Amino acid sequence: NAGVTQTPKFRVLKTGQSMTLLCAQDMNHEYMYWYRQDPGMGLRLIHYSVGEGTTAKGEVPDGYNVSRLKKQNFLLGLESAAPSQTSVYFCASSSPRSGVVQETQYFGPGTRLLVL
Amino acid sequence: LAKTTQPISMDSYEGQEVNITCSHNNIATNDYITWYQQFPSQGPRFIIQGYKTKVTNEVASLFIPADRKSSTLSLPRVSLSDTAVYYCLVAPLRSNDYKLSFGAGTTVTVRA
Repeated sequence: NAGVTQTPKFRVLKTGQSMTLLCAQDMNHEYMYWYRQDPGMGLRLIHYSVGEGTTAKGEVPDGYNVSRLKKQNFLLGLESAAPSQTSVYFCASSSPRSGVVQETQYFGPGTRLLVL
Repeated sequence: LAKTTQPISMDSYEGQEVNITCSHNNIATNDYITWYQQFPSQGPRFIIQGYKTKVTNEVASLFIPADRKSSTLSLPRVSLSDTAVYYCLVAPLRSNDYKLSFGAGTTVTVRA
């Protein structure tokens, strides 16, 4: 049982390049989330998904797209990377009871992204 | 979501008790209080959750006064491995809004 895994662990991009971050969970969780963490700012929610085939915007969605084609995977895409997207990205998943938003979230180890 | 205020940082020594207070003056009746812990280079992990009075588990205790406008996370006899960032979250258990707010958290540094 690996929990939540993220690929890659570290990546350097040039401005304008695109990439996809992969999050996978093996806990059969319904909900998945993408956060970014910048120094001194805590975690901010980018996008989330409450089930396969569904996605929704979080607090800072601009410049990112997501897809949840399979229940166990949640992809975060950057179509045209910008230096402002330099950050640590965390994926999380949870299995809330109906409507319970504060069910425990399980986080991955993070992906460090540097955009030059 | 209720706004929370926590100290930016706290220093302690091994074996001491660490108490982190979180203020949430506009907490709503249906809000719960949850604490997460984040070690360096790792994602946050759930520590404890409560609604009122006191909750205790193998990691920490959570004290919530009757007015619920603040809460205190207590870490007994800390060790160097308790050095981490601690986040206080306040949100309803049941909601159609999934936007949890982690804030900047409290950086706890434990020294030998």
